[in-house]
Amino acid sequence: EAQVTQNPRYLITVTGKKLTVTCSQNMNHEYMSWYRQDPGLGLRQIYYSMNVEVTDKGDVPEGYKVSRKEKRNFPLILESPSPNQTSLYFCASSSNNYRNSPLHFGNGTRLTVT
Amino acid sequence: KQEVTQIPAALSVPEGENLVLNCSFTDSAIYNLQWFRQDPGKGLTSLLLIQSSQREQTSGRLNASLDKSSGRSTLYIAASQPGDSATYLCAVPGTGGGNKLTFGTGTQLKVEL
Repeated sequence: EAQVTQNPRYLITVTGKKLTVTCSQNMNHEYMSWYRQDPGLGLRQIYYSMNVEVTDKGDVPEGYKVSRKEKRNFPLILESPSPNQTSLYFCASSSNNYRNSPLHFGNGTRLTVT
Repeated sequence: KQEVTQIPAALSVPEGENLVLNCSFTDSAIYNLQWFRQDPGKGLTSLLLIQSSQREQTSGRLNASLDKSSGRSTLYIAASQPGDSATYLCAVPGTGGGNKLTFGTGTQLKVEL
């Protein structure tokens, strides 16, 4: 089954403790992206990647890091999480013809930072 | 900076009604517009993608239209069903095109029996 898989689904952590949210897709997609969703603010793009070793900032990249060493994986790293990063996070992917192909989303990771 | 607005924020209709959801965007230099559905606790599911050269796209009971010049898109849902209850979001590329997507805050739809 074609899918985007995020792990974990739920995560509670404390301020300053480094964490990684994994994202993997099995559709051989070039484009991958991370979003956060907050009430009243909607979905905002954190980082995106057009291909392996190619990443770029979205609208709210501060406090996050990403890497794209393999085509299928695009982990989101929070080096020193803070309470304002408490949010619902989504990973998404699309084929290399990004402009003509829809985005496929994972089921989300709900992160709470205390 | 691209801004996307969806009106109304919430909508409740009886089963069987036809309805229209609205999406407006400020920068009309887009190459496509996507409509998504989000169920509670779930990710987004792509419903329709309209290219900038198209005026509308249809899938089953859903029809999406795009008017780039006026910065608007509508999602028409025919003969609504309780299973259509969800949040509907539209998304367009950010200002200058590129590879960033800007989402609206969504319309929360409830279809009642």
